[in-house]
Amino acid sequence: NAGVMQNPRHLVRRRGQEARLRCSPMKGHSHVYWYRQLPEEGLKFMVYLQKENIIDESGMPKERFSAEFPKEGPSILRIQQVVRGDSAAYFCASSNGLAGDHEQFFGPGTRLTVL
Amino acid sequence: GEDVEQSLFLSVREGDSSVINCTYTDSSSTYLYWYKQEPGAGLQLLTYIFSNMDMKQDQRLTVLLNKKDKHLSLRIADTQTGDSAIYFCALTGSARQLTFGSGTQLTVLP
Repeated sequence: NAGVMQNPRHLVRRRGQEARLRCSPMKGHSHVYWYRQLPEEGLKFMVYLQKENIIDESGMPKERFSAEFPKEGPSILRIQQVVRGDSAAYFCASSNGLAGDHEQFFGPGTRLTVL
Repeated sequence: GEDVEQSLFLSVREGDSSVINCTYTDSSSTYLYWYKQEPGAGLQLLTYIFSNMDMKQDQRLTVLLNKKDKHLSLRIADTQTGDSAIYFCALTGSARQLTFGSGTQLTVLP
């Protein structure tokens, strides 16, 4: 049973380019969370999605960032017109969303470097 | 919003016990977690405690929860060099998202 998969593992972009980060949840999981970890800091919640729905995007910057979790395929975190401050590790986690099942399983992360 | 605090660094000698502490402000969390992060890797769930418990033991790991003082700790018995990592405490938020502390870098000295 494969765990949470993220790709790419490392991504380098120049300022102004777009970054697309992909997350495939664990088999059977329909809930996806995105977190950002800045250097030397803990993880900060960005967005919580179910299939075709954004449940909570309270941690998402208002501009340039968007996320989706389509009916088919992985969840995508999209950052437009990247700036140096977007350099961070972006982690995806998944859960099955069932009542009483609270554990989130994390992927290995995508490390974004903006030059 | 929720505020979760951890000390940044802890050094122990191999074979000693490690105690990593965490304080928080919001007492409504149902579950409280400890995650381990090794360099360049993702987060590994080590253990968790339900909010109506005071203590949970899992092999070398002991979690203590003091709800009155809003204090959570993780004790690692017989610490090994492989335990060197960053340890994060995390709490569930209002919509299932996790709120993390800033992490404690544990260094195990031979």
